[in-house]
Amino acid sequence: QKEVEQDPGPLSVPEGAIVSLNCTYSNSAFQYFMWYRQYSRKGPELLMYTYSSGNKEDGRFTAQVDKSSKYISLFIRDSQPSDSATYLCAMSINNAGNMLTFGGGTRLMVKP
Amino acid sequence: DVKVTQSSRYLVKRTGEKVFLECVQDMDHENMFWYRQDPGLGLRLIYFSYDVKMKEKGDIPEGYSVSREKKERFSLILESASTNQTSMYLCASSLPDRGRVKAEAFFGQGTRLTVV
Repeated sequence: QKEVEQDPGPLSVPEGAIVSLNCTYSNSAFQYFMWYRQYSRKGPELLMYTYSSGNKEDGRFTAQVDKSSKYISLFIRDSQPSDSATYLCAMSINNAGNMLTFGGGTRLMVKP
Repeated sequence: DVKVTQSSRYLVKRTGEKVFLECVQDMDHENMFWYRQDPGLGLRLIYFSYDVKMKEKGDIPEGYSVSREKKERFSLILESASTNQTSMYLCASSLPDRGRVKAEAFFGQGTRLTVV
């Protein structure tokens, strides 16, 4: 079993839809949870960063962490074609850029 | 604007060749990393370095080595390339853990290596 599981998709939605992306994990020591967005032929870039359980909102994006269920989610409201990308969840035990454990990524396509 | 630059976007090498992938960052970051990215497997850490001349093995170091002679430069070396090393290689850098200050990893745009 992988340490972090993520549905690879692709997930295809119409423009304006609410998108839900999810990851489950097995290591209860993870404390820091991130979502990276990766456009085609580009490196990943950090989209959301949360510590421990709870919600964090940034514009159209909301990250949720439920440590009791070992489940994290990224919601995208009013999705746009420019949101089409691969979304990677990542998590770590410490607050450093090293020792990140990544999910396999979910490919999202938002159709106009 | 922060930048991590990888020397090549695309490389094609023959089996058995020695391959060098170069990465340079301009943010004065202590930490640097090499990942490979394969469909469905996400990013897997090959090696990381937390200081000049220091290195630590990641999850999949076999068949790879690294060199960090200067703080801004981190090289990945494939001693004898094999077809199963065909992949996307991503370099990243970050600050070390400093308490509650977020230590974001910044990635380069990747090198797509094909070994034939």
